[in-house]
Amino acid sequence: DTGVSQDPRHKITKRGQNVTFRCDPISEHNRLYWYRQTLGQGPEFLTYFQNEAQLEKSRLLSDRFSAERPKGSFSTLEIQRTEQGDSAMYLCASSPGGQGLNGYTFGSGTRLTVV
Amino acid sequence: AQTVTQSQPEMSVQEAETVTLSCTYDTSESDYYLFWYKQPPSRQMILVIRQEAYKQQNATENRFSVNFQKAAKSFSLKISDSQLGDAAMYFCAYRTPSGGGADGLTFGKGTHLIIQP
Repeated sequence: DTGVSQDPRHKITKRGQNVTFRCDPISEHNRLYWYRQTLGQGPEFLTYFQNEAQLEKSRLLSDRFSAERPKGSFSTLEIQRTEQGDSAMYLCASSPGGQGLNGYTFGSGTRLTVV
Repeated sequence: AQTVTQSQPEMSVQEAETVTLSCTYDTSESDYYLFWYKQPPSRQMILVIRQEAYKQQNATENRFSVNFQKAAKSFSLKISDSQLGDAAMYFCAYRTPSGGGADGLTFGKGTHLIIQP
């Protein structure tokens, strides 16, 4: 296993279009997280899954955002009717769960630019 | 809600010297976890070091060590013998224990570390 994979690495879209990102976590990790990082800021928590269950969603996750992890493996994050304010790096991370001392393993991110 | 503050937007250090990055946090919890992450220009976040709040002993990982002051809610990172490869954004992060509610990491805004050759 080579780590957390995210696809695509870069996405440029026109305002109003829908976009979907994919994350493949480390296979034995049952927890998967999505974060958003804007320029000059630290990552902000969006949502997380334990296996296929979405356990928590941040208030940052508006109705235009939806995330799924249908079989408890890979996850998708969809943004509908994109806005310029959605431009950011979207980071995925996974964790084996259990004790909170386990750090996350992050992917390289998907950079979204909305024009 | 927990908050994490990194008061140094940028730090610069000469190669082989020691540098300390500051982090303070605010929480009402007594049990939690603290982390330092490194984000090089390639953008992938890498875990540098972690600390359990109930452990008095400061964590150490090779050239990286922390100064954890629980009462002061301070968690600084010391990098000894700085190397060019240490140049990156460094983020301090806080996490509540699993199963205690919010499971996400709360990050500070980061410190940009520059290594002068």
